[in-house]
Amino acid sequence: GQQVMQIPQYQHVQEGEDFTTYCNSSTTLSNIQWYKQRPGGHPVFLIQLVKSGEVKKQKRLTFQFGEAKKNSSLHITATQTTDVGTYFCAGDSGYALNFGKGTSLLVTP
Amino acid sequence: GAVVSQHPSRVICKSGTSVKIECRSLDFQATTMFWYRQFPKQSLMLMATSNEGSKATYEQGVEKDKFLINHASLTLSTLTVTSAHPEDSSFYICTSKIGDTQYFGPGTRLTVL
Repeated sequence: GQQVMQIPQYQHVQEGEDFTTYCNSSTTLSNIQWYKQRPGGHPVFLIQLVKSGEVKKQKRLTFQFGEAKKNSSLHITATQTTDVGTYFCAGDSGYALNFGKGTSLLVTP
Repeated sequence: GAVVSQHPSRVICKSGTSVKIECRSLDFQATTMFWYRQFPKQSLMLMATSNEGSKATYEQGVEKDKFLINHASLTLSTLTVTSAHPEDSSFYICTSKIGDTQYFGPGTRLTVL
């Protein structure tokens, strides 16, 4: 079945540094979604990428979808302490979502 | 946007008891709902797909007799954890899909003592 790999598992940065998490699927995706989860909370939808090669920005967050629609990345520029949390990618093969293991981001002031 | 609610948000129960979790679509009809489980510090794993008016589809490794799913109406799916054990302690989340967009419930944190 479809597998979604996400790296790194953890990332610890100083405030102001950049951060990137990468996601790879074993199969072509109809779309990929990104979620952020704070400790004790539920995943919160960030964005959905549908088109091959798509790039979307949300303030300091940049999301990319690969040309083959099998990989994606989330890049945060100049991290802030409010960016702390676990970021999950989730591949949509047209059925349910298949989540990556997530990247836990810790930002120290 | 569409809203999915879950009840209860938290539940603590004794080992051996059964717990029912409700998932409701508040402003749309959901013929299909998905149930995910998230163990501490792990990712969300799809447990089963709940289909209105028919049997649920379970993912490999999920016991259908332990996790009973009922989707009796277009706005309600229930997950019953039967004879719960401490290893069933987890965060259970339901979602429903409209087009390509998944709408998440707020989750139910189950703790089995």
